[in-house]
Amino acid sequence: ILNVEQSPQSLHVQEGDSTNFTCSFPSSNFYALHWYRWETAKSPEALFVMTLNGDEKKKGRISATLNTKEGYSYLYIKGSQPEDSATYLCAFMNTGFQKLVFGTGTRLLVSP
Amino acid sequence: DGGITQSPKYLFRKEGQNVTLSCEQNLNHDAMYWYRQDPGQGLRLIYYSQIVNDFQKGDIAEGYSVSREKKESFPLTVTSAQKNPTAFYLCASSIDRTETQYFGPGTRLLVL
Repeated sequence: ILNVEQSPQSLHVQEGDSTNFTCSFPSSNFYALHWYRWETAKSPEALFVMTLNGDEKKKGRISATLNTKEGYSYLYIKGSQPEDSATYLCAFMNTGFQKLVFGTGTRLLVSP
Repeated sequence: DGGITQSPKYLFRKEGQNVTLSCEQNLNHDAMYWYRQDPGQGLRLIYYSQIVNDFQKGDIAEGYSVSREKKESFPLTVTSAQKNPTAFYLCASSIDRTETQYFGPGTRLLVL
């Protein structure tokens, strides 16, 4: 059974704070790591797909890093804004199953 | 507008009744998926289809059935054999099974 863990479970920060969360996944047979943002009452939206060890992706104030050898990815948000409030999901795909296994998510609340 | 639609937004099921959740996409994607979300758990894969007239069981397929007669459509039937159907159901699609998934708005199923 593949296990994908995210921490923390929830996070409450003030507007302007920078923050980061962690996604841990099996370090063997890695194929890809996906990050999604899920705002309340909306559909999950893809942020990044990461495939290479050492990969770093950036989209505006959000960036992500990947370490496939040790099995973790970090998502960073610089200068958090209230509109960043959402649940951030990571999902792991290995070479064997070819399907996404999702973590339980990190719920971020940014107060003005 | 390209995207994925799910209907209905809310669905009520009586004991012993089969109900069908609709999922349609106009993104010309080959792969489609059904996920279930329960409180405190990650998205869990029910069924997926990589191409028309083909589908595979996911991690929690018992009590569910699907069909893929058209590329655009992937309906999910929750049968009376599913003893705990109350959950939020998300449909997704992707160009192929390894690529970014695009999600619909979801259907919340409740049991009367």
